[in-house]
Amino acid sequence: DGGITQSPKYLFRKEGQNVTLSCEQNLNHDAMYWYRQDPGQGLRLIYYSQIVNDFQKGDIAEGYSVSREKKESFPLTVTSAQKNPTAFYLCASSIDITGQEQFFGPGTRLTVL
Amino acid sequence: GEDVEQSLFLSVREGDSSVINCTYTDSSSTYLYWYKQEPGAGLQLLTYIFSNMDMKQDQRLTVLLNKKDKHLSLRIADTQTGDSAIYFCAESTDTGRRALTFGSGTRLQVQP
Repeated sequence: DGGITQSPKYLFRKEGQNVTLSCEQNLNHDAMYWYRQDPGQGLRLIYYSQIVNDFQKGDIAEGYSVSREKKESFPLTVTSAQKNPTAFYLCASSIDITGQEQFFGPGTRLTVL
Repeated sequence: GEDVEQSLFLSVREGDSSVINCTYTDSSSTYLYWYKQEPGAGLQLLTYIFSNMDMKQDQRLTVLLNKKDKHLSLRIADTQTGDSAIYFCAESTDTGRRALTFGSGTRLQVQP
């Protein structure tokens, strides 16, 4: 079964702690993306990666960090510098940066207490 | 800058047609998309249209694009209760990063 997996589905953390969200794909896609979704709003781009060992900031990168050491994996770390981290986080991938279809994972809901 | 706008809510009766509208501002938009999101889930790509097309039909879905007015619509024929979800319009441009710019979503409620 090809697809994108995100884990965990729900995550709770105390304020001031860093937390890492997992995103894995077995679609052999080069490009991967992280979006944030807040209630009643569309998705906003946090970071994206065109290829292994490369990544670029999106529109709301402050307080987040990523790595892309493997093609299949694009983990997102929400740091304590992120002022309002409680949100639904969605990972996506496309065949490459010109690919017109982005496939989304099921999302991780992060709640910071 | 880029901006995509949608109405927040639409309610229809089962069996009727639904029309969800979207406007965008970026004239360099290359592709326009419709995604569906069910509660607590990720986004499912329903269909997309290239900016040089006026219409695209795929089973119960019809997408209309008015490039002059920067208006996109999604028509769902014979709407079913399983179509209840949030529908997002999104655009991408032929430059740079190719990440999508999303509208805030339209919640479609289908009443039996």
